[in-house]
Amino acid sequence: DAKTTQPTSMDCAEGRAANLPCNHSTISGNEYVYWYRQIHSQGPQYIIHGLKNNETNEMASLIITEDRKSSTLILPHATLRDTAVYYCIVRDGSGNTGKLIFGQGTTLQVKP
Amino acid sequence: DAGVTQSPTHLIKTRGQQVTLRCSPKSGHDTVSWYQQALGQGPQFIFQYYEEEERQRGNFPDRFSGHQFPNYSSELNVNALLLGDSALYLCASGDRGLGNTIYFGEGSWLTVV
Repeated sequence: DAKTTQPTSMDCAEGRAANLPCNHSTISGNEYVYWYRQIHSQGPQYIIHGLKNNETNEMASLIITEDRKSSTLILPHATLRDTAVYYCIVRDGSGNTGKLIFGQGTTLQVKP
Repeated sequence: DAGVTQSPTHLIKTRGQQVTLRCSPKSGHDTVSWYQQALGQGPQFIFQYYEEEERQRGNFPDRFSGHQFPNYSSELNVNALLLGDSALYLCASGDRGLGNTIYFGEGSWLTVV
């Protein structure tokens, strides 16, 4: 079973920031938080991941609470092309473990 | 472009037949994992290969088998196809560094009729 809980769906206005929450209250010390998104009929696209510290890349920012029990993915200026299913996944960061357990994810609808 | 390539992109098979799907990992990656994604569901882990051996396996019957070649590419084989095997099959690759990133290909759509 997935170790994360996400809202089923969210809406966001185009040009505004999209903030996608994720709860992972049972996360272990060696587990990373990963975010992927999937646009209909395409393979999942890697967005960002982190262990303890907040992370930022060209796509998004990841804010992890100090107790690591929850996190938020931030898309700073959402566009219509950001409409997708967003998956939050916790995973043992060991490279020998390739398994990702996907939950139902959050369907983000960006509206004009 | 994640750099993971899969073939074929679409195929149709008949119940009872066998199918082979192929995957080339991103340059520099030596592990390959396979996932099955049924319509409306999240991807489900099938198995992972590195050093040419199966290392982890999800809850799939042994009709699902795989192989990894010395150049790190991989095949997924499914025997005795069932209608329920119709799905998007995804390949993912990574290296074995701590906190590594796993990248997915665009998948192979399999329809069993």
